[in-house]
Amino acid sequence: NAGVTQTPKFQVLKTGQSMTLQCAQDMNHNSMYWYRQDPGMGLRLIYYSASEGTTDKGEVPNGYNVSRLNKREFSLRLESAAPSQTSVYFCASSENSQNIQYFGAGTRLSVL
Amino acid sequence: QKEVEQDPGPLSVPEGAIVSLNCTYSNSAFQYFMWYRQYSRKGPELLMYTYSSGNKEDGRFTAQVDKSSKYISLFIRDSQPSDSATYLCAMSGGYGGSQGNLIFGKGTKLSVKP
Repeated sequence: NAGVTQTPKFQVLKTGQSMTLQCAQDMNHNSMYWYRQDPGMGLRLIYYSASEGTTDKGEVPNGYNVSRLNKREFSLRLESAAPSQTSVYFCASSENSQNIQYFGAGTRLSVL
Repeated sequence: QKEVEQDPGPLSVPEGAIVSLNCTYSNSAFQYFMWYRQYSRKGPELLMYTYSSGNKEDGRFTAQVDKSSKYISLFIRDSQPSDSATYLCAMSGGYGGSQGNLIFGKGTKLSVKP
């Protein structure tokens, strides 16, 4: 039962470097989400995709881009990483007929 | 005022205690209410799901929703050390598209001491 798989689990970047966080789900869900979680701030939505081929901004989209590659995969890209993007990133998915979201294990990102 | 307010704790209780976790919210359009549990260095996992007002019980866990007061609660009976985690409330106004997006509380960190 893989569910939602995120790679990598850990990453350290230098300021200005770029990277892509990968997310894949095997539950045939239509909707996928990217969150960041910071101490004292809770989970904040970065981008979401309600269906294959569509993406929309969430609460904190600045500095990020996303791609819904197909129904299974939703990637998050940092073009020029900044220390303020040091965080734990979670991907989630849900079926459009309900709003229960299933989360991956997270990616811990440090930007130095 | 944030849409969802949750006391971050931390909350420390002895094993066997009854734990009460709460969230308040301001958006009267919310109809779906959830509690997620997040163990350290793991992703959140769904614990309880309720629609509209009322109570729902699952083993040692009871979720209550009072829409008139815009207040939701999670009760844990006979708490165990394995219940030590951060508990996040979440809610939405519907499902599908942006309506299905969840608004999360900041989470309450619970520690149950043996």
